[in-house]
Amino acid sequence: DIQMTQSPSSLSASVGDRVTITCRASQSINIYLNWYQQKAGTAPKLLIYSASSLESGVPSRFRGSGSGTDFTLTISSLQPEDFATYFCQQSYSIPRYTFGQGTKLEIK
Amino acid sequence: QVQLVESGGGVVQPGRSLRLSCAASGFTFSSYGMHWVRQAPGKGLDWVAFIDYDEGKKYYVDSVKGRFIIYRDNSKNTLYLHMNSLRVEDTAVYYCARDQYYYDRRDFDYWGLGTLVTVSS
Repeated sequence: DIQMTQSPSSLSASVGDRVTITCRASQSINIYLNWYQQKAGTAPKLLIYSASSLESGVPSRFRGSGSGTDFTLTISSLQPEDFATYFCQQSYSIPRYTFGQGTKLEIK
Repeated sequence: QVQLVESGGGVVQPGRSLRLSCAASGFTFSSYGMHWVRQAPGKGLDWVAFIDYDEGKKYYVDSVKGRFIIYRDNSKNTLYLHMNSLRVEDTAVYYCARDQYYYDRRDFDYWGLGTLVTVSS
């Protein structure tokens, strides 16, 4: 099974900050990496698919990059509504699409 | 608009069974594969099972193989997860999610709100 490791597990930041979350796969997954945002008590929401493609309706301050084993999610200027937990997901191993453990983004 | 609505969760004793449902609307249900994903309280997301659009293929995470059954009724636009021999560690919110598979795109583009399953004596 492909293991996904996110770092950091938690992160404190302020409105307006630029933040980066990293996701590493245990083997190459090409560009098959997705990012989801989950707010407390709600379902995950797709932000980025295929490593760098922005899902419709998602603000352009979210950017994904990477390929192979190393990927990043960058939020260019944090907004109050961005404080949430973020999960990466590999979609290389069809259809067993495993997730990273999550990164909780909190207000400093 | 696309909607997925889960139901059927509740409190159940270890060893008992439970059936979850996911009612789909706003899209051609019979054209999409579907997944179940679960999230234990305070934990991350765990993929549980997948069924393709016509039930030709089904896949499960190892921890539920032989205990859970995923199936669908395309005439009713509904996805199911029949859970047998439930264990305390199956306690989680269970989400259904639509499989988006198109060229280089493979993701879960829509999710339901989830239904809570609590396995406890």
